[in-house]
Amino acid sequence: DSGVTQTPKHLITATGQRVTLRCSPRSGDLSVYWYQQSLDQGLQFLIQYYNGEERAKGNILERFSAQQFPDLHSELNLSSLELGDSALYFCASSVGTGFYPQHFGDGTRLSIL
Amino acid sequence: EDQVTQSPEALRLQEGESSSLNCSYTVSGLRGLFWYRQDPGKGPEFLFTLYSAGEEKEKERLKATLTKKESFLHITAPKPEDSATYLCAVQAPNYGGSQGNLIFGKGTKLSVKP
Repeated sequence: DSGVTQTPKHLITATGQRVTLRCSPRSGDLSVYWYQQSLDQGLQFLIQYYNGEERAKGNILERFSAQQFPDLHSELNLSSLELGDSALYFCASSVGTGFYPQHFGDGTRLSIL
Repeated sequence: EDQVTQSPEALRLQEGESSSLNCSYTVSGLRGLFWYRQDPGKGPEFLFTLYSAGEEKEKERLKATLTKKESFLHITAPKPEDSATYLCAVQAPNYGGSQGNLIFGKGTKLSVKP
């Protein structure tokens, strides 16, 4: 058990809808990262938060947004969903924003019908 | 462009048959290389961090090594429970504007038959 909790485990929704994925980091970790994993692309970095502030953006679509709350949990919001957004979404956390190991949750599987 | 390439894509071994997985990278100013194990339906599980060429880390039947251009994950006398996808990731400075983000390879799927 990594200590990173993601909910829900599965989400099934339709095109055009909006969903929110939730992540609770390991106790003591201040950084939260979001990744998308698809069969053809592998794990792709989306966005990072550190202690409530956005720190870095990767290949994140404008339809996607995230935030980190004062209790350090994070939410990833996906809107105007398309079939191609179907993927596994992982959250990871680390102690700081430097070169520390990241510990991953078990992901949310998003299926768009 | 920073890249991480893992080979082979898939590897089938008999129990006890040792082998190595490769991770080659082209990154400007590598700050760290990480190995993860991923089981089906689970998130990547952290195994090792390597920071400098020549460094080695060991854990049970696994040993990770690092050179200036690649890393190897050596598996000695594997067991069926070692079956998983092994992912390699690198940290490069200022990727996405931060020092901490990972660039992942696509992984090697290892199957160990009894």
